[in-house]
Amino acid sequence: GIQVEQSPPDLILQEGANSTLRCNFSDSVNNLQWFHQNPWGQLINLFYIPSGTKQNGRLSATTVATERYSLLYISSSQTTDSGVYFCAVIRYNQGGKLIFGQGTELSVKP
Amino acid sequence: DARVTQTPRDKVTEMGQEVTMRCQPILGHNTVFWYRQTMMQGLELLAYFRNRAPLDDSGMPKDRFSAEMPDATLATLKIQPSEPRDSAVYFCASGIGDPTYNEQFFGPGTRLTVL
Repeated sequence: GIQVEQSPPDLILQEGANSTLRCNFSDSVNNLQWFHQNPWGQLINLFYIPSGTKQNGRLSATTVATERYSLLYISSSQTTDSGVYFCAVIRYNQGGKLIFGQGTELSVKP
Repeated sequence: DARVTQTPRDKVTEMGQEVTMRCQPILGHNTVFWYRQTMMQGLELLAYFRNRAPLDDSGMPKDRFSAEMPDATLATLKIQPSEPRDSAVYFCASGIGDPTYNEQFFGPGTRLTVL
């Protein structure tokens, strides 16, 4: 099956810093989502981005489908950005099942 | 603000007891998913419904787990009998249309602890 790898596994930032999280996938995909799991365990939808670039406030994402990777950019990080960021993909023959990466754990220090 | 809701949010039970978790998908969504999150396995799909019909439950231990959609506004996941290895966070998600090409929205999860 398709493999999803996220890097880095852990990241510590000072408040105000910028960061880039990466998601590599081993085969072509039809669906890609980025999630933020906050310290209370809730999974929050950030982007649905199978290709192209999207922005939402301080966050933006780019997926280059032909090269099988996606990037999540966080600018001017805040302590509330702390948590785990997951990338998840679906390939056309997976019957709708999201395949998750192992996540990047982000800690933003004041 | 449309959201997926799940009850209970936390459940502690003893081994051998029946556990029922409930999910209300976003109004108008016709696909419902159950995922389980553990430290060892991460997030994995247990079951998937479309228009209330089960399409994929290959990720679910069949001998003790069952998933149903009694109506379009309610999905249930039951474990009978529960075992300590079932301890995990169970997420429900919903969406519209073919999930291969559409977004899934997650509920807050049910944290299950089986003693």
